[in-house]
Amino acid sequence: GQNIDQPTEMTATEGAIVQINCTYQTSGFNGLFWYQQHAGEAPTFLSYNVLDGLEEKGRFSSFLSRSKGYSYLLLKELQMKDSASYLCAVRDNKNDYKLSFGAGTTVTVRA
Amino acid sequence: DAMVIQNPRYQVTQFGKPVTLSCSQTLNHNVMYWYQQKSSQAPKLLFHYYDKDFNNEADTPDNFQSRRPNTSFCFLDIRSPGLGDAAMYLCATSRDRGRTYEQYFGPGTRLTVT
Repeated sequence: GQNIDQPTEMTATEGAIVQINCTYQTSGFNGLFWYQQHAGEAPTFLSYNVLDGLEEKGRFSSFLSRSKGYSYLLLKELQMKDSASYLCAVRDNKNDYKLSFGAGTTVTVRA
Repeated sequence: DAMVIQNPRYQVTQFGKPVTLSCSQTLNHNVMYWYQQKSSQAPKLLFHYYDKDFNNEADTPDNFQSRRPNTSFCFLDIRSPGLGDAAMYLCATSRDRGRTYEQYFGPGTRLTVT
């Protein structure tokens, strides 16, 4: 089974940086995804990590440490449109087309 | 252009009245998924199709069924909806090749049970 933990809520100011942590305990590991979900909308893909280290994509970066079962999503130069829920999802290596999602972290960006 | 389409976007049904939600995709992906998501909770996988092979999650109630008549379409049937089935239902697709197996989600159908 999978156990994925992330904070429930975070608040930050426009232009600032926010780091969303995700820890996981899984029976197998074959990649970690971050998705963004605006209220009432479908999740959209942000990033994917399968090896240790940092993946940077514009204002968003994602980090993975497999030995620690830990990832974070870093949002830089926050904009109001970044207010959303951010979901951490882990793919196991037994059924590698299935994802297990965390409950999501709601980020609120204030002016 | 929409790649994963769900209809309807909003569905109201009565307690116990069967309802069908539909999903179609233009990506030609061979894997299709149905998730249930309740407010402030993680999407919960109900089942998925790998080509025509149906895979049910162990804790998916028998009340939920699915059909995939062809690669492009997939249906979620709720035989006797209860109040606890009110949720957002998300359809997603992925292909079994490539680096990420990224899942593409549709906009969801919000189901209300009265």
